[in-house]
Amino acid sequence: AQKVTQAQTEISVVEKEDVTLDCVYETRDTTYYLFWYKQPPSGELVFLIRRNSFDEQNEISGRYSWNFQKSTSSFNFTITASQVVDSAVYFCALSEGDFNKFYFGSGTKLNVKP
Amino acid sequence: ETGVTQSPTHLIKTRGQQVTLRCSSQSGHNTVSWYQQALGQGPQFIFQYYREEENGRGNFPPRFSGLQFPNYSSELNVNALELDDSALYLCASSSRVTVNTEAFFGQGTRLTVV
Repeated sequence: AQKVTQAQTEISVVEKEDVTLDCVYETRDTTYYLFWYKQPPSGELVFLIRRNSFDEQNEISGRYSWNFQKSTSSFNFTITASQVVDSAVYFCALSEGDFNKFYFGSGTKLNVKP
Repeated sequence: ETGVTQSPTHLIKTRGQQVTLRCSSQSGHNTVSWYQQALGQGPQFIFQYYREEENGRGNFPPRFSGLQFPNYSSELNVNALELDDSALYLCASSSRVTVNTEAFFGQGTRLTVV
């Protein structure tokens, strides 16, 4: 079974629009970690955020915000006032007991058009 | 830049051949993980090395093997290459000081098997 599901394969928005990328995860562990990574065309995965299962407080960092809801096993990512430079593939990942062994979703490709 | 360096960046091999991919971890990081990312998919965990020992393995056959050296750099070896081994291979380094810190990824090695 998929541990991390990113149902949106590709999203296209016009610059300055807000966009939310969905992530649903599945785990039986009580302690786990959730991550978001950005992958530009160069291929390198760029770390965006880490959240542990005991911290449900939502986080905002500039134009980025994350909504963690254990009740629905979701960890959604919102970009406010999107920019062309936000165009990339975004991955949600889950890590359970094993140190930094990530289960990645299939990714959401975000296209931001000028 | 993350400080994680992978070589080579691109590689073309023939089916049945063997290949070695290299990763230099970020300074101070003692844990290296390898991931395979097929086109259009999320990265899949291959294995992880900590203090020169394999520390966890994903669902990959034994022809995928690795090494970690005293300076924490690492190699991924793949024997008897198959066409389906064509993918982006990503190396991630992290420090096993606190639980599940973020991992820093290299830019990857694009392997094409023909």
